[in-house]
Amino acid sequence: AQSVTQLGSHVSVSEGALVLLRCNYSSSVPPYLFWYVQYPNQGLQLLLKYTSAATLVKGINGFEAEFKKSETSFHLTKPSAHMSDAAEYFCAVSYRTGKLIFGQGTTLQVKP
Amino acid sequence: DTEVTQTPKHLVMGMTNKKSLKCEQHMGHRAMYWYKQKAKKPPELMFVYSYEKLSINESVPSRFSPECPNSSLLNLHLHALQPEDSALYLCASSQAPRATDEKLFFGSGTQLSVL
Repeated sequence: AQSVTQLGSHVSVSEGALVLLRCNYSSSVPPYLFWYVQYPNQGLQLLLKYTSAATLVKGINGFEAEFKKSETSFHLTKPSAHMSDAAEYFCAVSYRTGKLIFGQGTTLQVKP
Repeated sequence: DTEVTQTPKHLVMGMTNKKSLKCEQHMGHRAMYWYKQKAKKPPELMFVYSYEKLSINESVPSRFSPECPNSSLLNLHLHALQPEDSALYLCASSQAPRATDEKLFFGSGTQLSVL
């Protein structure tokens, strides 16, 4: 069965520092992978998605993620954190049936 | 218009009440979803409608009853809920059902409290 694991339920960085949120997937076939962000009291918003076209995927708000098949990883990065990046981040994998399965989430805290 | 609109934003109900959550999108999407999200947890899929027909029911208790009156509207009827049903209920839509690379558009959710 497909699943995703997010390493670290809470990540804290200083403003201007590198953001790295980790996601590993388990799948017998190349999956479709997504990163969503959820701000407080809001729904989820797609940051980026991997659909096999390119291994380095650029998303909104300066985020990007690299698909590494050898490591079964899809980590999310941003070179310089802003205060507005503080939110909950979910990695997700989709099934062929159209079901989207989310990881447990990582809370990103940005310190001034 | 790229929004999914959910009403109400907040709802408090007793265990004997009947209420409904509403969701609307005008993007021409043919798949609509209900998710349940407990605090500090990921969203959990409840139902999927594909071309206005129920295609996935994730073994949700019958006290939750979904309805899709037309391609733009999705309702979730609630009856005899339990306190543990208190959660954020998220509606989402996507352009094509069963498309594995489809982006989901989420509403802001209804925060439900069952007393």
